[in-house]
Formats: sequence, C-alpha cells, structure tokens
Amino acid sequence: AQSVTQLDSQVPVFEEAPVELRCNYSSSVSVYLFWYVQYPNQGLQLLLKYLSGSTLVKGINGFEAEFNKSQTSFHLRKPSVHISDTAEYFCAVSANSGGSNYKLTFGKGTLLTVNP
Amino acid sequence: GAGVSQSPSNKVTEKGKDVELRCDPISGHTALYWYRQSLGQGLEFLIYFQGNSAPDKSGLPSDRFSAERTGGSVSTLTIQRTQQEDSAVYLCASSFDRANYGYTFGSGTRLTVV
Repeated sequence: AQSVTQLDSQVPVFEEAPVELRCNYSSSVSVYLFWYVQYPNQGLQLLLKYLSGSTLVKGINGFEAEFNKSQTSFHLRKPSVHISDTAEYFCAVSANSGGSNYKLTFGKGTLLTVNP
Repeated sequence: GAGVSQSPSNKVTEKGKDVELRCDPISGHTALYWYRQSLGQGLEFLIYFQGNSAPDKSGLPSDRFSAERTGGSVSTLTIQRTQQEDSAVYLCASSFDRANYGYTFGSGTRLTVV
C-alpha cells in the first residue's frame, strides 16, 4: 500500500514570491506521482505527473516538481506566484505496476494562500 | 461529454433518508472512481469500476453505501439511511484504464445531512 504526507496544511505567501509545497510518500513498490489543484467549489485538476524519465517535471501554470527517490519526496515549486494560484494542492501516488495500479492515494492537501 | 459531470451539485437531506448521486464520465474512459472529501481529511477512496465491474469496493464505509455502473458509462452512488457523518463532498473521476493516465474529476456533489 502507498501513503502520502503533505507536511504543511497551510502555506501563506506574498504575490511574486517563490513557493514550495512539500510532499513525501511511502511505498514498497515503484510509484507514479501526481499533483492536483482544487479551486474553491471545483473538482481537482491535474497539474503535473511523474511516470518515468527526467526527475524534474514541468506542469501547467508555471509549476514544476522534482522526484527524489532517495528522499521519497515530490515537492512542488513555483518561482513566482500570483493571486490566482490561491487554491488547495493535493499530492497523490499510485503503484506503477501490479494489481493496485489503478488507485490514487492522496495526501490531506496544502492550502496555498497568495496575499497581495 | 467534454468532462466528468456530477449531479446534483448540492443535496440537503434529512437524516434517515436515502440519496442517489450520479456521475457521467468522459466518453471512452473505462475506469471510474468515487472519492469522498471531508474537511481536513483529504480524499478518501470509496470504489473503483472497470467497465461495469467493481473490482475494488474496499473504501465503502458501511453497507449503507452501494454503487453501480451501467453500460460502461453512468454510475450511481447510493447512500441509504443517511447519517450526519455522511455529510461531505462526493467526487467522481474517470480515466483511461489506469492511474498513470491521470484522473479527470467532476466538480462533486456536496451532501449535507440535517
């Protein structure tokens, strides 16, 4: 089974500042990793995913994440945030093989608040 | 359709009543998932469909919860004899076969049991 820990439940930042949202995972098998964003009263939207290859993954809206296998981390970063980035961000993991590779396990989310 | 459609978007029901939540996935997506989102609890997996079969229903919290999928398309999540602890946002997602394709989520049904 897999598990995800998002280390910060809330992250406040000022507009145009850089931000990092932290995610650590646990798994006994190799994994795929995902970041989703949820704007108020909406469903979740895929930001980016790591399946294989380059450990630095670029996604939509200027976000990127780096897979670090030795530290079992997949932190999300953006060099300069906008007010419109205010949302809840979820890290998720799935096994990349075997019978359970259909299921995404989510962290509890990090609320990013961008202040003017 | 263009996205995953869920209805109703909001549902207020009295304790003890039954409710049905509907999900219309993206055409061609064989996999369909139900999750529950409660305040501070993140997303809790409920059930997974592949076609019309549910090979994993391990997340259904009690026998008051059931789900079905027909024609490899529309799914209905039914909660019988609702309790206040059932209040949450119920999210449906669909994907091509496996998780590595990424899920597409609907906007959810906010269920309030009073």
